[in-house]
Amino acid sequence: DGGITQSPKYLFRKEGQNVTLSCEQNLNHDAMYWYRQDPGQGLRLIYYSQIVNDFQKGDIAEGYSVSREKKESFPLTVTSAQKNPTAFYLCASSILLAGGPSETQYFGPGTRLLVL
Amino acid sequence: QQQVKQSPQSLIVQKGGISIINCAYENTAFDYFPWYQQFPGKGPALLIAIRPDVSEKKEGRFTISFNKSAKQFSLHIMDSQPGDSATYFCAASIIGNQFYFGTGTSLTVIP
Repeated sequence: DGGITQSPKYLFRKEGQNVTLSCEQNLNHDAMYWYRQDPGQGLRLIYYSQIVNDFQKGDIAEGYSVSREKKESFPLTVTSAQKNPTAFYLCASSILLAGGPSETQYFGPGTRLLVL
Repeated sequence: QQQVKQSPQSLIVQKGGISIINCAYENTAFDYFPWYQQFPGKGPALLIAIRPDVSEKKEGRFTISFNKSAKQFSLHIMDSQPGDSATYFCAASIIGNQFYFGTGTSLTVIP
């Protein structure tokens, strides 16, 4: 049963704490993405990775970090530098054709991060 | 700067009616225009998508109309049902899979 899994579903962060959100895919997709969703603002890109051991900043990367050590996994760390972390975080993946047309991004179920 | 502008922000439609959501873009390099449906607390799911070489695509009750010259595209939901009540996002993508999303439309279909 192929798909994208995100864990946990809910995550609580204390002041000054770093937290890590998990994203795993078994679709054999090359590209993976992290988005942040806030009410009325749509989806904003945090980081993306097109290949293992390489990733690029999106529009709102400040206060976040990622790693891509395996093709299947793309964890996101919300650092203490992110002053307004409360949001719904979505991971996505897609096929990536070098120089080719865009392909569909498929989303995981999301993680809701709340600050205590 | 919003690359993709979506309207309306919210929409209420009677059961059996037509729901229409509009999006506009500026970048002519966009080559893929998907629509996503999202239920509360869930991730967005692809509903239907179109490439700029066609003007319309229909899948069941869902139709995308695409106007390349006007740089606009819209989602039409025919015979709207209460189960269609969700948030809908349009998006546009450039080669390399950089997606830009609209701000979403909350659709409520009343019985």
